[in-house]
Amino acid sequence: GEDVEQSLFLSVREGDSSVINCTYTDSSSTYLYWYKQEPGAGLQLLTYIFSNMDMKQDQRLTVLLNKKDKHLSLRIADTQTGDSAIYFCAETPAYGSSNTGKLIFGQGTTLQVKP
Amino acid sequence: GAGVSQSPSNKVTEKGKDVELRCDPISGHTALYWYRQSLGQGLEFLIYFQGNSAPDKSGLPSDRFSAERTGGSVSTLTIQRTQQEDSAVYLCASSLLAGVPGDTQYFGPGTRLTVL
Repeated sequence: GEDVEQSLFLSVREGDSSVINCTYTDSSSTYLYWYKQEPGAGLQLLTYIFSNMDMKQDQRLTVLLNKKDKHLSLRIADTQTGDSAIYFCAETPAYGSSNTGKLIFGQGTTLQVKP
Repeated sequence: GAGVSQSPSNKVTEKGKDVELRCDPISGHTALYWYRQSLGQGLEFLIYFQGNSAPDKSGLPSDRFSAERTGGSVSTLTIQRTQQEDSAVYLCASSLLAGVPGDTQYFGPGTRLTVL
């Protein structure tokens, strides 16, 4: 079955790096995503990685994928107070006749950035 | 439109009443998804539309939940005989293509449903 796990809370100091971790069980996952949810706001796609990649970098964000261990991480460099939010890891199973592109989400990690 | 919109933004209802939640996807988007976000269950998939048909309803929690989509655009999620455990934020998302992993899903702001 499909399952995505995340730690629930992370607290860092402003200027430090944040690393949010995620594990998933579906080995057929094709795409893995990171979404951000700020208080009172909708889900915003931050970045995604295709399963045949090991790493993807986008400005302050670095995504690392260890497909063997089914482990995904999001590193935020120079974390700012504006980065305080809930971060969701998500995956979509392999494309096929039964695939719908639906997202399977982790529980979300609340990132607290202290000034 | 510019983004996915949902209405109402907040809905308070009494146990046993029916409610309808509306989603207006981004114009031209083929795929539409409903998700539910609750404290106990996190973010969970409910139903997927490809055009007006729903090939995946596997996430609907009970037969009190139904949804339809008309004209390949607006979708309505209906919850009959609401229960307190239905209290949650109901999120709608749309994407340009249908059932293609990697095609970005754009989320609406959600409807917060409270069942008293």
